[in-house]
Amino acid sequence: DTGVSQDPRHKITKRGQNVTFRCDPISEHNRLYWYRQTLGQGPEFLTYFQNEAQLEKSRLLSDRFSAERPKGSFSTLEIQRTEQGDSAMYLCASSLATYRADYGYTFGSGTRLTVV
Amino acid sequence: GQNIDQPTEMTATEGAIVQINCTYQTSGFNGLFWYQQHAGEAPTFLSYNVLDGLEEKGRFSSFLSRSKGYSYLLLKELQMKDSASYLCAVATGGGNKLTFGTGTQLKVEL
Repeated sequence: DTGVSQDPRHKITKRGQNVTFRCDPISEHNRLYWYRQTLGQGPEFLTYFQNEAQLEKSRLLSDRFSAERPKGSFSTLEIQRTEQGDSAMYLCASSLATYRADYGYTFGSGTRLTVV
Repeated sequence: GQNIDQPTEMTATEGAIVQINCTYQTSGFNGLFWYQQHAGEAPTFLSYNVLDGLEEKGRFSSFLSRSKGYSYLLLKELQMKDSASYLCAVATGGGNKLTFGTGTQLKVEL
């Protein structure tokens, strides 16, 4: 297993367009998380899945954002009608659901979105 | 609410020791992480503390005091490649979501 994979690495889009990102977690990991990171800040939690169930969504996640994990494996994050404020690095992470928070918690390389 | 504070920037000399502090106030606590992040790259796991005390791993050590809401990351024998942002993060909730500080940008100089 090569770790958490994200695609694409970079995306430039015009304001108002829709974009979709993909995350492939480590295969045995049942938890998958999405975070957003802007320049000079730490990552901010957006949402997480356990298997295919989306169990928590941040208030940061407006109605324009939707995430899915249809078969409990890969996940997609879609942003509709992009705005310039959506420009950020979108990070995916995966882990095992165990009593230890650190168990396998691994981040992908991220998708850098630029909205022009 | 969740609040995590760490210094914005630090500068240290190659070969020296540096300590990066982190204080936190969170609703719930499932452990504290330290990550290293180079510009444009993903955060890389450095350490995890869930009990009070010191965890040592090579040149890196991390300390936790839950009663004080305080942690530090200690980097020894600094190398130029250690120049990076160091992120303190607390895991909370049943899903262990992470709340991050803004990161401490460490610059290692000759």
